[in-house]
Amino acid sequence: DIQMAQSPSSLSASVGDRVTITCRASQTISNYLNWYQQKPGKAPKLLIYTASSLQSGVPSSFSGSGSGTDFTLTISSLQPEDFATYYCQQSYNTPYTFGQGTKLEIK
Amino acid sequence: QVQLQESGPGLVKPSQTLSLTCTVSGGSISSGGHYWSWIRQHPGTGLEWIGYIYYSGSTYYNPSLKSRVTMSIDTSKNQFSLKLSSATAADTAVYYCARYYHDTSGYYYHDYWGLGTLVTVSS
Repeated sequence: DIQMAQSPSSLSASVGDRVTITCRASQTISNYLNWYQQKPGKAPKLLIYTASSLQSGVPSSFSGSGSGTDFTLTISSLQPEDFATYYCQQSYNTPYTFGQGTKLEIK
Repeated sequence: QVQLQESGPGLVKPSQTLSLTCTVSGGSISSGGHYWSWIRQHPGTGLEWIGYIYYSGSTYYNPSLKSRVTMSIDTSKNQFSLKLSSATAADTAVYYCARYYHDTSGYYYHDYWGLGTLVTVSS
């Protein structure tokens, strides 16, 4: 299985901050990388697909980059509604696997 | 707008079979060439992909659960289902169904999710 490792596991930040979350795959996955946001008690929501494509309706403050094994999710200016847990997921090979999550908390 | 809704017992006894159904609305389960996934989330932890099914009935299961998982699809009802046999406390989780969108470039991503349903395995 392809292992997905996110860092950091948790992050404290303030409204207006720029934050970056990293996802590393245990082998190359080209750009078969998706990012999801999950709020407590809710289903995950697709933010970014194919590493850098913004899902319809997602604010442009979110962006993704990377290819191969290293990927980043950046939020350019944190809003109160952005505090949540973020997961990366590889769709390169079965079984599809998720990172362990990064919990973004208010400082 | 595609919507998915999980349904099934919230409590399952150990050694019994966990059974869930996902009803899809706002689109046909057999159009578009997409796959239909089950994903679970143990309390307070991350996401585990269980497997997917195609409208034709072809399936792929996560090898970690393959011996206990069966998925089926009913295109006439726009539903797909999950059965997980020999349930244990380790199967206690929130179970999600989701559409695994297959775009024209060959990429896949879970674009629509159900709300999730908590299944507890306990006597």
